Amino acid sequence: SQTIHQWPATLVQPVGSPLSLECTVEGTSNPNLYWYRQAAGRGLQLLFYSVGIGQISSEVPQNLSASRPQDRQFILSSKKLLLSDSGFYLCAWSSRGPRSYNEQFFGPGTRLTVL
Amino acid sequence: AQRVTQPEKLLSVFKGAPVELKCNYSYSGSPELFWYVQYSRQRLQLLLRHISRESIKGFTADLNKGETSFHLKKPFAQEEDSAMYYCALNFGNEKLTFGTGTRLTIIP
Repeated sequence: SQTIHQWPATLVQPVGSPLSLECTVEGTSNPNLYWYRQAAGRGLQLLFYSVGIGQISSEVPQNLSASRPQDRQFILSSKKLLLSDSGFYLCAWSSRGPRSYNEQFFGPGTRLTVL
Repeated sequence: AQRVTQPEKLLSVFKGAPVELKCNYSYSGSPELFWYVQYSRQRLQLLLRHISRESIKGFTADLNKGETSFHLKKPFAQEEDSAMYYCALNFGNEKLTFGTGTRLTIIP
């Protein structure tokens, strides 16, 4: 069966420090991968998505970047964190094919606090 | 612009009463709509999709193209329905656009 992992589960970082959040998927090949930020009152905001290795689409211009170095690995990064980067970050995957991407499977999330 | 709107951030309903979570969208094409749910300490997951015309855990949702709505309904609320609910829409590509969510609390 397919599983999705995220780490770390929680992270406290000072302003200006770098960031690297990792997401990996097991049990499937060639998934679509997604990074979201979940904030109270603002819902679920899509940050990046990827349909293949090295293919990244950015949805919201900001202080973050994403990379997909391997088929089932998706990394969210920042060179210098801002206070506004605090939030709950979710990774998700979906299968390819018509309508398959409509069912997305979410990871447990990473709670990031920037101080 | 393509948008999904959930007008209620919070909704409290007594156990046994009917539940309606509102979702409106703006899109000129033929949308595909979904409801996702996140129970306490669980992962966000798909609840139902309009194309399946299914009832999951007693919930149903009807797409009303005239009113551009996709409200989620249940005739009799149960305590285990307390959760965060997100309406989501696919605009014909590889991604979903989510609403801001409604936190549903069922009062015993």
